[in-house]
Amino acid sequence: EAGVAQSPRYKIIEKRQSVAFWCNPISGHATLYWYQQILGQGPKLLIQFQNNGVVDDSQLPKDRFSAERLKGVDSTLKIQPAKLEDSAVYLCASSPTTRTYEQYFGPGTRLTVT
Amino acid sequence: GEDVEQSLFLSVREGDSSVINCTYTDSSSTYLYWYKQEPGAGLQLLTYIFSNMDMKQDQRLTVLLNKKDKHLSLRIADTQTGDSAIYFCAERREYGNKLVFGAGTILRVKS
Repeated sequence: EAGVAQSPRYKIIEKRQSVAFWCNPISGHATLYWYQQILGQGPKLLIQFQNNGVVDDSQLPKDRFSAERLKGVDSTLKIQPAKLEDSAVYLCASSPTTRTYEQYFGPGTRLTVT
Repeated sequence: GEDVEQSLFLSVREGDSSVINCTYTDSSSTYLYWYKQEPGAGLQLLTYIFSNMDMKQDQRLTVLLNKKDKHLSLRIADTQTGDSAIYFCAERREYGNKLVFGAGTILRVKS
């Protein structure tokens, strides 16, 4: 089966600009996650969706980050306006409905804010 | 503390065994994981262990879990150059499916 798809793979923007990332989870996976991985650190959960509802967004900086999963499949993560400290890899992951303890990751989007 | 802790770096010779250690934080965590990350790639789920087990073997991989000490280890037998990567330990906190990751251990395999 196809894995988690993400685009773009790389993005360079200037601070205060906006950016959006797209994720398409593995087919049939109801749970979708966005993680932020800063260089030299492990991934940190930003937001978790179950179908199109938010389960956990406690670590999402809501003044500048937003995410949606309108039809319970694809998801977008947006940053507006971006700060230098947002430079990181943004990883999307999904879990199968019957085995929610497994998370499968996409290749990530590497964001550089200058 | 709040962090999952791992040693930063491990270097082994090809053919030797590698052991990567991790200390996690939440005694109620239900699953413990090992992920592998190669340069420029996402995280690959290598293996995981349920908290009521103390050992799991999967081909060259052996996971040991010591719940009393909250210690997890990954042993890779007959380590190959293709095993060179960053290995992340993660725990699944009791609430929801949230995974909390360590900072990763860089494994370098010398031929």
